[in-house]
Amino acid sequence: RKEVEQDPGPFNVPEGATVAFNCTYSNSASQSFFWYRQDCRKEPKLLMSVYSSGNEDGRFTAQLNRASQYISLLIRDSKLSDSATYLCAVASSGGSYIPTFGRGTSLIVHP
Amino acid sequence: DADVTQTPRNRITKTGKRIMLECSQTKGHDRMYWYRQDPGLGLRLIYYSFDVKDINKGEISDGYSVSRQAQAKFSLSLESAIPNQTALYFCATSPNLAGGADTQYFGPGTRLTVL
Repeated sequence: RKEVEQDPGPFNVPEGATVAFNCTYSNSASQSFFWYRQDCRKEPKLLMSVYSSGNEDGRFTAQLNRASQYISLLIRDSKLSDSATYLCAVASSGGSYIPTFGRGTSLIVHP
Repeated sequence: DADVTQTPRNRITKTGKRIMLECSQTKGHDRMYWYRQDPGLGLRLIYYSFDVKDINKGEISDGYSVSRQAQAKFSLSLESAIPNQTALYFCATSPNLAGGADTQYFGPGTRLTVL
């Protein structure tokens, strides 16, 4: 089982839709969690960290479920500009806090 | 100006050639990383360095070497390039925060093609 797994998609949604992605991780000792956004042929950029209590940044909400070992990203009111690949990343002290990245979930928002 | 820069941005080379990819950063971060990204395989760690005197192998270091010339510079070398090293290569940096993982800041990437 891969350490960090994501559904590659693509998720194809209309503008204004709400869409959610999950990311499962296998290391129960994982301590730090992130979502990155990557546009086609560009570098990944941090979208948001994921905190234990969950956190929100505008239309984006990230949550952590330690019991089931997954993190989620919810995007409300999708915009065309949200079209990208979303990478989750998970880190633990045992791995020197170096994130392990999932393969990414592709989102396409259409008019 | 970009905080993390990579040169070259694109490179086409032939099998057996030696290639060096360079990374510079102005963020003042101690930690630097090299990743490669292949379609369907995501980002995989090649080497990382937590300071100038610290070099560590990542998940896929075979066929690669690195040099940390200064806090701001971390170069990746392919001593004898082979076609399956064709990929998008990213350099990244992160601060050294106590007690947790760090946000990674990526360079724009180098697209390498080995013929």
